[in-house]
Amino acid sequence: SQKIEQNSEALNIQEGKTATLTCNYTNYSPAYLQWYRQDPGRGPVFLLLIRENEKEKRKERLKVTFDTTLKQSLFHITASQPADSATYLCALTPKNQAGTALIFGKGTTLSVSS
Amino acid sequence: DGGITQSPKYLFRKEGQNVTLSCEQNLNHDAMYWYRQDPGQGLRLIYYSQIVNDFQKGDIAEGYSVSREKKESFPLTVTSAQKNPTAFYLCASSMTSGNLGEQYFGPGTRLTVT
Repeated sequence: SQKIEQNSEALNIQEGKTATLTCNYTNYSPAYLQWYRQDPGRGPVFLLLIRENEKEKRKERLKVTFDTTLKQSLFHITASQPADSATYLCALTPKNQAGTALIFGKGTTLSVSS
Repeated sequence: DGGITQSPKYLFRKEGQNVTLSCEQNLNHDAMYWYRQDPGQGLRLIYYSQIVNDFQKGDIAEGYSVSREKKESFPLTVTSAQKNPTAFYLCASSMTSGNLGEQYFGPGTRLTVT
């Protein structure tokens, strides 16, 4: 069956450390993969997108990697801050379905303590 | 101020009543989506529309209906046939042509049915 899994429901780290979140998928061929941030009671906000032919993408303190062999994406937040505490969702678009709905993982809730 | 608006933020209804959730966008996006989010679950697609006067069922369309008479508007009706309507409902939009799938979300409507 097709699955997209974020293998940690919760991640607790100390301020200043690097947070690494994992997204694994099964029986999909993603054209690209996206990461969103969601704060409690609010809608998700887009962070980064990475294409299948890209290994890595960066934006300020954020970095995403995409390994189509492992069927995995890693999302890193360096020098983490308490303000980074939120739920992070990965989502993919299967090939030939660009512009259609995303398939989301359940999310990982990150807590950064000072 | 561009974006997606959803109203109301909180909605309470009695079992057996139909209720319509509003979603409006001024981003000039062609595609619009409705997702449902339950505690501990990822976002699940209810309906989506890529163009005015056309829409497709998502994974959990039973008990819901939509219309897309205007590009800016994509209201969702939760009917009395929906077995478990209490949830957080999220509307999103995206471009289609030239788009890699980045979606913009509204603030959500939390529906409680008793």
